[in-house]
Amino acid sequence: GAVVSQHPSWVICKSGTSVKIECRSLDFQATTMFWYRQFPKQSLMLMATSNEGSKATYEQGVEKDKFLINHASLTLSTLTVTSAHPEDSSFYICSARDAGLSYEQYFGPGTRLTVT
Amino acid sequence: QKEVEQNSGPLSVPEGAIASLNCTYSDRVSQSFFWYRQYSGKSPELIMSIYSNGDKEDGRFTAQLNKASQYVSLLIRDSQPSDSATYLCAGTNRDDKIIFGKGTRLHILP
Repeated sequence: GAVVSQHPSWVICKSGTSVKIECRSLDFQATTMFWYRQFPKQSLMLMATSNEGSKATYEQGVEKDKFLINHASLTLSTLTVTSAHPEDSSFYICSARDAGLSYEQYFGPGTRLTVT
Repeated sequence: QKEVEQNSGPLSVPEGAIASLNCTYSDRVSQSFFWYRQYSGKSPELIMSIYSNGDKEDGRFTAQLNKASQYVSLLIRDSQPSDSATYLCAGTNRDDKIIFGKGTRLHILP
């Protein structure tokens, strides 16, 4: 149990375009989902916390107009990187907290974004 | 003090030995603690969660929590080369948000 999927697993896009990444909890309901970014050989950086039916909470320094988050249902959250630039190239990972378990958080497999 | 601190390593352990990974946390981190394993280029995978003082065993893994010393550890018995990865210690803060340490790189030497 506790499987989280992400789609796509990798994407290459041109500078200035937008990219949408989907995160789904497959076998549990997730009232809260999290979006992280990780650059090579660096630690996870929390970008935002997404709660179903409400606006996302962004960490300091993360532009909410650039990284649009929509938590449409208890099993789906999306991250849209708008007007992507090469410096946005990174490994984006979502995670979901099972509403029925205490604080355990399960990660999706990640999406590798390359902006050319 | 950072909320969750770990030695970055690398920690090198011979195959078959016990690997001991340690983590300390600040007053801002509260009740729930976790160990995640992350292979290079992959996302983190939850291996253990621990909520109360003492030991919790799951297969070759044992998590230990000492709230008085604000210390949590992970022991891996009979270490295998496939255990080579970065191990992330994490705890929840008062906002119920999971705070991650920067991770300890573990190398199991064949």
